[in-house]
Amino acid sequence: EDQVTQSPEALRLQEGESSSLNCSYTVSGLRGLFWYRQDPGKGPEFLFTLYSAGEEKEKERLKATLTKKESFLHITAPKPEDSATYLCAVQAAIQGAQKLVFGQGTRLTINP
Amino acid sequence: GAGVSQSPSNKVTEKGKDVELRCDPISGHTALYWYRQSLGQGLEFLIYFQGNSAPDKSGLPSDRFSAERTGGSVSTLTIQRTQQEDSAVYLCASSPQGALGKLFFGSGTQLSVL
Repeated sequence: EDQVTQSPEALRLQEGESSSLNCSYTVSGLRGLFWYRQDPGKGPEFLFTLYSAGEEKEKERLKATLTKKESFLHITAPKPEDSATYLCAVQAAIQGAQKLVFGQGTRLTINP
Repeated sequence: GAGVSQSPSNKVTEKGKDVELRCDPISGHTALYWYRQSLGQGLEFLIYFQGNSAPDKSGLPSDRFSAERTGGSVSTLTIQRTQQEDSAVYLCASSPQGALGKLFFGSGTQLSVL
């Protein structure tokens, strides 16, 4: 069974304090790994797609990396507006399989 | 442009009643997903529609849950004989053809079963 585990569950940082969120996964052949951001009361918002080990993607203060077993979301010099829950998801490379399997998320709080 | 629209935004019902949740996807998006999110939990896959293909219903938790998508656009998720454990946020998402894993989510319907 495909599984995604995110750590830590919650993380509090001071503004400007860089850190990383972890996403460990087991999947029967990886088609893609995805990061989403979710603000309270809203649906998740797409951030990145990673396809293969060694790949990296960047957007403003966020950088996502991928290995064969895990992905990291690095946050550099975060600002209070980066506070949100960050979700990781995988899609298996199985014929006809289109669902994304999500982790439980990391709730990130950036204090000014 | 308009995003994914879900209605109602909130629904309070009594145990045993039936409820219908509606999703209007982004125009032109061929794929439509339903997920649910319980308090403090991750997103749980329910069902997936792609064009005219048979839907993937593998995530529906019981036969009290059903969904349809009419004309390749609007979708309705129906829960019959609601139970308290059905209380959750029900999220709909759509995705354009070929956009692997890039889902556009609505804001969800908060369902409370008393």
